Amino acid sequence: DGGITQSPKYLFRKEGQNVTLSCEQNLNHDAMYWYRQDPGQGLRLIYYSQIVNDFQKGDIAEGYSVSREKKESFPLTVTSAQKNPTAFYLCATGQGLNTEAFFGQGTRLTVV
Amino acid sequence: KQEVTQIPAALSVPEGENLVLNCSFTDSAIYNLQWFRQDPGKGLTSLLLIQSSQREQTSGRLNASLDKSSGRSTLYIAASQPGDSATYLCAVRDRDDKIIFGKGTRLHILP
Repeated sequence: DGGITQSPKYLFRKEGQNVTLSCEQNLNHDAMYWYRQDPGQGLRLIYYSQIVNDFQKGDIAEGYSVSREKKESFPLTVTSAQKNPTAFYLCATGQGLNTEAFFGQGTRLTVV
Repeated sequence: KQEVTQIPAALSVPEGENLVLNCSFTDSAIYNLQWFRQDPGKGLTSLLLIQSSQREQTSGRLNASLDKSSGRSTLYIAASQPGDSATYLCAVRDRDDKIIFGKGTRLHILP
């Protein structure tokens, strides 16, 4: 079954802990993206990667880190430096500048 | 910096009506524009992709137009149905390969 898999669907974190969100794709797409969605804020870009072993900061990268060691995987770590991490996180992929972007089903992170 | 604006923020219409959702962007140097649908608590589903060289795309009851020079796009939904109720998001792909979103339009179709 082709597509983008985000896991887990729900995640709870204690304050001060780092947590890693998984995004895996089997679409063979070069580009991958991480977004954060808050009520009334739309989607805001955290990090994106156009190719393996390379990534760029988006508009709200502070308190987050990523890696792109494999084409299929683009994990996002929410660090303790992120002051307000509770949000819905969405991963996307794309292939080429003139093609569609596809999204996973998201991970809802709650800090308790 | 590219900014994407969607108007209206929310819309309620009776079933069967035709409706138009608006999207505007500040920098016309885009590769494409994409319309998405999002149901509550879910990911995004792609509806239509318009390349920068195209003027419109159609899929079933949906028609999206693009006027790149004026920085505008519209999504036209014909004969609306209760199942069309969702949030509709517009996004542009800029010269840096970023995909930048508007805040969306929450659509409610009244049975």
